Amino acid sequence: QLQLRESGPGLVRPSETLSLTCSVSGGSMTNSDYLWGWIRQPPGGGLEWIGSMSHSGDTYYSPSLRSRVAIFVDSSKGQFTLKLASVTAADTAIYYCTRLFHYPSGGYLWFNPWGQGTLVIVSS
Amino acid sequence: SSELTQDPVVSVALGQTVRITCQGDSLRNYFATWYQQKPGQAPVLVFYGKYSRASGIPDRFSASTSTVTASLTITGAQAEDEADYYCSSRDSSGNYVFGTGTTVTVL
Repeated sequence: QLQLRESGPGLVRPSETLSLTCSVSGGSMTNSDYLWGWIRQPPGGGLEWIGSMSHSGDTYYSPSLRSRVAIFVDSSKGQFTLKLASVTAADTAIYYCTRLFHYPSGGYLWFNPWGQGTLVIVSS
Repeated sequence: SSELTQDPVVSVALGQTVRITCQGDSLRNYFATWYQQKPGQAPVLVFYGKYSRASGIPDRFSASTSTVTASLTITGAQAEDEADYYCSSRDSSGNYVFGTGTTVTVL
């Protein structure tokens, strides 16, 4: 059973770069049907898609974060990484890593499974 | 619009039926995908596509869609169904979007 787990600092100073890693176990990252990415949720708030990337390097980012975000996939290590630059308090959130399956001709998609999430607080 | 709108709070008596709705233009081209999130936990996939209930999800959960409105129905709601529910889809620009979320309270 595929499992994802986030890791990284829980506290980041304003203007610095947030960096999180997702470790994938129980399955391969090289299946071209899937993308790997990040979703965040501010405390008490809703879900926001950050971006997704295929193992071959195709990337898709949220327009509101595109200028600050980068996602990297290392299939050989079973990991993918999120980097979010120039953070502010508004970036304080629980960050989830997840796998995306997207089937355009069928008109459906899903994010599954999700990591347990990691809280990142932006504060000096 | 890339927004998906949901009612903030919905209540249901134990054993009764509740419908959670999701509205948005992105539903013209994609079926809504539904997630359940309990306090302190990550979201869990509940329903996707036209007919597909995720693995391990009870058959009291069903979904339907029409043009720009999608619905998730819980028939015979149980105490363990109390949670936040989010819909998601893909907008015309190719971005993945989530609904505003609905808190379901089981009375």
